[in-house]
Amino acid sequence: DVKVTQSSRYLVKRTGEKVFLECVQDMDHENMFWYRQDPGLGLRLIYFSYDVKMKEKGDIPEGYSVSREKKERFSLILESASTNQTSMYLCASSSSGLAGSTSTDTQYFGPGTRLTVL
Amino acid sequence: AQKVTQAQTEISVVEKEDVTLDCVYETRDTTYYLFWYKQPPSGELVFLIRRNSFDEQNEISGRYSWNFQKSTSSFNFTITASQVVDSAVYFCALHYNQGGKLIFGQGTELSVKP
Repeated sequence: DVKVTQSSRYLVKRTGEKVFLECVQDMDHENMFWYRQDPGLGLRLIYFSYDVKMKEKGDIPEGYSVSREKKERFSLILESASTNQTSMYLCASSSSGLAGSTSTDTQYFGPGTRLTVL
Repeated sequence: AQKVTQAQTEISVVEKEDVTLDCVYETRDTTYYLFWYKQPPSGELVFLIRRNSFDEQNEISGRYSWNFQKSTSSFNFTITASQVVDSAVYFCALHYNQGGKLIFGQGTELSVKP
């Protein structure tokens, strides 16, 4: 089974703090993704990565950065947390895999981190 | 433009009723995948099904079935004999041929009452 883990289920931080959200997958997937989920807005892609040390902006990258030093780990960084970054953060991974494979490009999600910024 | 629409924001049914969740998508690509995910109250998105654009066969898995119709750009999800444990938010998503990203619908919150 694919397993995606996130470092915390719940996190409370103060405005201005630097926040690290960690995501680890154990299936040797090439692709990793960070989303945030807010009521009424659905899931929105923040950043994604196709390979180690590579990153691409998603739809809402402002206020965030990412790091992928190892294939299995993808970190989301809030350089200076603000109250409007209070949200549910979801990490996912997928394989580029073999063409035609039923698992190729299927994203598997972690349990999520509920971040509150006070 | 790529877009997924789940017009039903909330659905409430009584246990053992059948329920269909609608999903309509837009894409100009000829090769794409469609997905359904379940998000129970715990928050984790659970993968349910992946469908290739070239495969219009309907699929059944236990009480779950999916109806894919390219003519109407729809990929609807039916739960037969619903149970309380089916209560969750269900997301439909589109993967198109541009680098592994998914476009999600807004989700349908299903409430199954005993």
